[in-house]
Amino acid sequence: EAGVAQSPRYKIIEKRQSVAFWCNPISGHATLYWYQQILGQGPKLLIQFQNNGVVDDSQLPKDRFSAERLKGVDSTLKIQPAKLEDSAVYLCASSPIGGQGRVGEKLFFGSGTQLSVL
Amino acid sequence: QKEVEQNSGPLSVPEGAIASLNCTYSDRGSQSFFWYRQYSGKSPELIMFIYSNGDKEDGRFTAQLNKASQYVSLLIRDSQPSDSATYLCAVKVDSWGKLQFGAGTQVVVTP
Repeated sequence: EAGVAQSPRYKIIEKRQSVAFWCNPISGHATLYWYQQILGQGPKLLIQFQNNGVVDDSQLPKDRFSAERLKGVDSTLKIQPAKLEDSAVYLCASSPIGGQGRVGEKLFFGSGTQLSVL
Repeated sequence: QKEVEQNSGPLSVPEGAIASLNCTYSDRGSQSFFWYRQYSGKSPELIMFIYSNGDKEDGRFTAQLNKASQYVSLLIRDSQPSDSATYLCAVKVDSWGKLQFGAGTQVVVTP
């Protein structure tokens, strides 16, 4: 079974530039997550999709971050303009809907994109 | 904001000993709890989940849950150098599957 695919693996940009990350979840997984993990911290949820609808974006800085999941499959996360504090690993994860409709019982993470903002 | 707290470590454990990791959470209504392992430079991977009070064992790992005390723990028996990693406690905080992660506890197993 293919895992969660993410690209690019690394990205270095200057502040105020824009950047985009791509994620292709495991086939058939209805739920897709974007997490931000700053060095030394746990992953922080930015946005969660169920199929192609947003179910939680409460921690997404909407003035600079945007995300979409077209056709309920792959997803892109964009930052425009980037700030120094956006330096982090951006993790995409997907999850199937389990028994009794349970969601989020097992997350499969991609390898992540390490972003450095200079 | 629903909180998940862990000791950051590092927790130094001799090879063959038991590593004990603790996690507390603030949302009394949480029902599902998870332990993820994250090797340096890698992504988290699920190693244990627990829903009911008490102990759940899987190989060398035991998860313990006490909902009254809002406390979940992970025991790693017969610790091996390959267990050296950061262990993330995660709590499911809503029915949509949102997970709140702790900052993680770094475990270092010394030969």
